[in-house]
Amino acid sequence: EDQVTQSPEALRLQEGESSSLNCSYTVSGLRGLFWYRQDPGKGPEFLFTLYSAGEEKEKERLKATLTKKESFLHITAPKPEDSATYLCAAGSGTYKYIFGTGTRLKVLA
Amino acid sequence: DVKVTQSSRYLVKRTGEKVFLECVQDMDHENMFWYRQDPGLGLRLIYFSYDVKMKEKGDIPEGYSVSREKKERFSLILESASTNQTSMYLCASSLWASGGALYEQYFGPGTRLTVT
Repeated sequence: EDQVTQSPEALRLQEGESSSLNCSYTVSGLRGLFWYRQDPGKGPEFLFTLYSAGEEKEKERLKATLTKKESFLHITAPKPEDSATYLCAAGSGTYKYIFGTGTRLKVLA
Repeated sequence: DVKVTQSSRYLVKRTGEKVFLECVQDMDHENMFWYRQDPGLGLRLIYFSYDVKMKEKGDIPEGYSVSREKKERFSLILESASTNQTSMYLCASSLWASGGALYEQYFGPGTRLTVT
């Protein structure tokens, strides 16, 4: 069965304290690994797409990487405005996106 | 910039009412999706549409129907609302998959539906 698991469920960091979020996936025929940011009460906002193991994408303080079994979202020197829930989704088939339940990140000033 | 809009941010309905949720996207995307999001359960697909008048059931279609009469518009209908349909409803759109890859989805702001 296709499955995506994110860890940790919640993470508290001090401003400037770098860390990584994990997304483990079991999908037959991965057709893309997607990262989103979701603020409370809002829809998810697209961050990155990764297609191949070894691929990396970067945007400001965020870097996403992909292996054959998992993806990491690295946050370097986070700021309070990076506080949000981060979702990953694995693409499969012609239209299936299997979402994890997210990591709630809180960055303290 | 891709923009996906939803007709209401908050909605309160009574049990048994018929509820319409509308979604409009302005990027000429072929694919449109309806999800519900509940704490601890993540996003679950209700219905998917890949073209006008075309639809596919998702993981939890029971109690819902959809309509896509125009490419930019995708409606979710709750035929007879029940309290277990209280949730956050999210609409999304994406380009049609090609060359073995899926494309990113763009989400609307969500509709928080409460059924009493």
